[in-house]
Amino acid sequence: DQQVKQNSPSLSVQEGRISILNCDYTNSMFDYFLWYKKYPAEGPTFLISISSIKDKNEDGRFTVFLNKSAKHLSLHIVPSQPGDSAVYFCAASARGSGGSNYKLTFGKGTLLTVNP
Amino acid sequence: KAGVTQTPRYLIKTRGQQVTLSCSPISGHRSVSWYQQTPGQGLQFLFEYFSETQRNKGNFPGRFSGRQFSNSRSEMNVSTLELGDSALYLCASSLGWSSGETQYFGPGTRLLVL
Repeated sequence: DQQVKQNSPSLSVQEGRISILNCDYTNSMFDYFLWYKKYPAEGPTFLISISSIKDKNEDGRFTVFLNKSAKHLSLHIVPSQPGDSAVYFCAASARGSGGSNYKLTFGKGTLLTVNP
Repeated sequence: KAGVTQTPRYLIKTRGQQVTLSCSPISGHRSVSWYQQTPGQGLQFLFEYFSETQRNKGNFPGRFSGRQFSNSRSEMNVSTLELGDSALYLCASSLGWSSGETQYFGPGTRLLVL
C-alpha cells in the first residue's frame, strides 16, 4: 500500500518557467511533509518542509503548498533553472502516532528536466 | 559542519556473503536512520536508532540488522546476501529529540550482489 504517491514520473519545463511537482498521500496521520532533491549517485538533499498546521511555506525559489482536505501537496519552483534538473522526492512522517514517528515515507519520485 | 558520511561508497559481493555498512552522522545528531533505494520500490525505511536503541523498524527480513554506538555512529549488516539486495543504501541523521525532524542524508553505499 503506497501511502505517498507521486503520480508523474517525469516533468519537463523550460528555463525561467514554473515547475510544479505534485504529491498525494493517503495516511491521515501524516502531519509533516518534506521535499528532497536527488542527483544520480548522491544522497537526497533536503529542500523544504511544511507542517500540517500551515498551508504554505516559502524558501527562496521554492514554495510548498499543503491541502489537508485533499491530502495533496505541491512544490513550486520559480523560476526554474537547468541546475534544478534532478529527481524530486516527496516524504511524509506522522509525528504523533507513536512508533512511526521516526521514519519518513517516500513517494517514488518525479524526474524534473529543465531545458535551457 | 561536516555532513553525513557513509563508507564504503561502493561494494560488490556474491550471494550468500554478508556485508557491513557504516554511517557517521552530523556532529550533534543522535538519530540515525537507514533506507534502501531500488528502482522498483523507491526509498524504503529499514530502521532508526537513537542513543544506541532501535526505535523503529521497517518491513525487512531479519537478515537486515543494525546497531548504533555511543558516539552515534551506526552500522548496518546484511547477512546471507540475495541478488535482490542490490541497492543504494542511504543513511540519514537528525537531532532525534522529537519526531518529525528533518533528516539529512549521506551519499549512500551502492551494493551490488552477484
